[in-house]
Amino acid sequence: AQRVTQPEKLLSVFKGAPVELKCNYSYSGSPELFWYVQYSRQRLQLLLRHISRESIKGFTADLNKGETSFHLKKPFAQEEDSAMYYCALASGTYKYIFGTGTRLKVLA
Amino acid sequence: GAGVSQSPSNKVTEKGKDVELRCDPISGHTALYWYRQRLGQGLEFLIYFQGNSAPDKSGLPSDRFSAERTGESVSTLTIQRTQQEDSAVYLCASSFGGGPTDTQYFGPGTRLTVL
Repeated sequence: AQRVTQPEKLLSVFKGAPVELKCNYSYSGSPELFWYVQYSRQRLQLLLRHISRESIKGFTADLNKGETSFHLKKPFAQEEDSAMYYCALASGTYKYIFGTGTRLKVLA
Repeated sequence: GAGVSQSPSNKVTEKGKDVELRCDPISGHTALYWYRQRLGQGLEFLIYFQGNSAPDKSGLPSDRFSAERTGESVSTLTIQRTQQEDSAVYLCASSFGGGPTDTQYFGPGTRLTVL
């Protein structure tokens, strides 16, 4: 079955500490993976996608096919990173499967 | 320009009543998605529209749910005979082409509460 798992509902870190938001997936094909973010009182928006191999707001994510993971990382967390983060997998050409989300709290 | 808009932002209804939720996609976006997000859960795919093609309704949870889209414009999601388990945030998203390389732009959502 196709599935996206985010094992942590809440992750609290101190400002300046490294952050890793975990995402594991189950998919039989070649996955297209994404991270979406929702800041307080804002809409859900795309943060980054694995095919672009980009760094957005200091965040990176590497697809590890062996471990079926797509963890989101940032070396030094900032208070403005506090938000809800969703990992998503594109199943087929257009259908997306979202994880349950991880709330990141960056403490001062 | 304006992003995806949804109305109403909040809807409280009584069990058994019908509700209609509206989504206005970004102009020029051919693809439109509806998702449901129950409390503490991820986004659940409901339906996908792409241009004039037949929609993918495979995510609709029951025949009480239906959705329409006129061309490449407004879409409405209708829930008949609402049940308490229908309480959720309903999100609409649109994208230019609908493929995995096309960014989905989300609306603010409609929070539905069924009493």
